[in-house]
Amino acid sequence: DAGVTQSPTHLIKTRGQQVTLRCSPKSGHDTVSWYQQALGQGPQFIFQYYEEEERQRGNFPDRFSGHQFPNYSSELNVNALLLGDSALYLCASSLAGDETQYFGPGTRLLVL
Amino acid sequence: AQSVTQPDIHITVSEGASLELRCNYSYGATPYLFWYVQSPGQGLQLLLKYFSGDTLVQGIKGFEAEFKRSQSSFNLRKPSVHWSDAAEYFCAVGHTGGGNKLTFGTGTQLKVEL
Repeated sequence: DAGVTQSPTHLIKTRGQQVTLRCSPKSGHDTVSWYQQALGQGPQFIFQYYEEEERQRGNFPDRFSGHQFPNYSSELNVNALLLGDSALYLCASSLAGDETQYFGPGTRLLVL
Repeated sequence: AQSVTQPDIHITVSEGASLELRCNYSYGATPYLFWYVQSPGQGLQLLLKYFSGDTLVQGIKGFEAEFKRSQSSFNLRKPSVHWSDAAEYFCAVGHTGGGNKLTFGTGTQLKVEL
């Protein structure tokens, strides 16, 4: 049973560029959440997708957007990258009605 | 607003010694509580969770945690630490009632001395 997978594992971008990160949920899960973890910090909630709609959003600017596909996989897009966007981006999946989230290995983004 | 406090940034214990990591939360209703562990460069692995019922919950790798409503705490314990337990530990509170975003503490880095 495959767990949560994310791609790519590492990414280097320059300021002003755009990036797309991808996530495949654990088998049987229908809800995907994205978190940003800056160095030395706990993860911060970005948003959550369920039934292809953004269900909840954290305190992140509109430069952060997402999408969920019919197969429940998800993308996180960040536009106009800033140096401060450098972080580990974590995807977590869950099943609606169960509050337990399972995390993927993350994508390490470095903005130069 | 909900918040999680992990007062210990770093903890060092000897292998075989007992361990307790502290977690205090602020939440207006009955919380869902979680402990996750993160090894360097890795994602988060769920250790255990509390939703309701017995306030002492057992998790993987020999860990347990106790929910104390009166103290707004959910401390993680292990009776005998192994060198492989060295990692960063995060406490999180889940938000009940539609959508289950997690609010995390800042983490406790555990070092195990051999």
